[in-house]
Amino acid sequence: GDSVTQMEGPVTLSEEAFLTINCTYTATGYPSLFWYVQYPGEGLQLLLKATKADDKGSNKGFEATYRKETTSFHLEKGSVQVSDSAVYFCALRGSSGDKLTFGTGTRLAVRP
Amino acid sequence: EAGVVQSPRYKIIEKKQPVAFWCNPISGHNTLYWYLQNLGQGPELLIRYENEEAVDDSQLPKDRFSAERLKGVDSTLKIQPAELGDSAVYLCASSLENTEAFFGQGTRLTVV
Repeated sequence: GDSVTQMEGPVTLSEEAFLTINCTYTATGYPSLFWYVQYPGEGLQLLLKATKADDKGSNKGFEATYRKETTSFHLEKGSVQVSDSAVYFCALRGSSGDKLTFGTGTRLAVRP
Repeated sequence: EAGVVQSPRYKIIEKKQPVAFWCNPISGHNTLYWYLQNLGQGPELLIRYENEEAVDDSQLPKDRFSAERLKGVDSTLKIQPAELGDSAVYLCASSLENTEAFFGQGTRLTVV
């Protein structure tokens, strides 16, 4: 079945540091890929998405590129802020278009 | 536009008692999901509705869990009787066709 593997946290960075959170997936066909973010005390919010190979999703300075050859969708940001502290979830929706399958989440803490 | 609304936000009950969670999806969204999120884990699908039909309930523990979506709008998830291991966050999400899912803030259940 479909699965998502993302790097374990917590990840602790200083403000303005470069961020990478790795995500790889296993799925048949051509899934859609997503990054969701969960800020403290809030629900999951869609951060960005990509629906086909080589697509780049971007939002709020975050980017991720759908790499089919490496089955990856790594999240990057060039300069993190304290306000980016949250838990980040990589997810996929299979080509049958049904449920979302999530990774276990990566907690990011950004120090001033 | 209002997002996905869940209630209650928090619930504490004694084991063996019943509990119910309510979800109001985004207007016009035909697909509704209930996810379970254990501490430190990613959400896992419990049940998915297309309009009023449960199209995927394979992960719903049917001996104690039940769900309904009357008239294809609001949905209720029930646990009877609750067990200590049911303590978790219960997330509701909705989407239009196979587009991205929008999540509510969740209900945090504590069974004591």
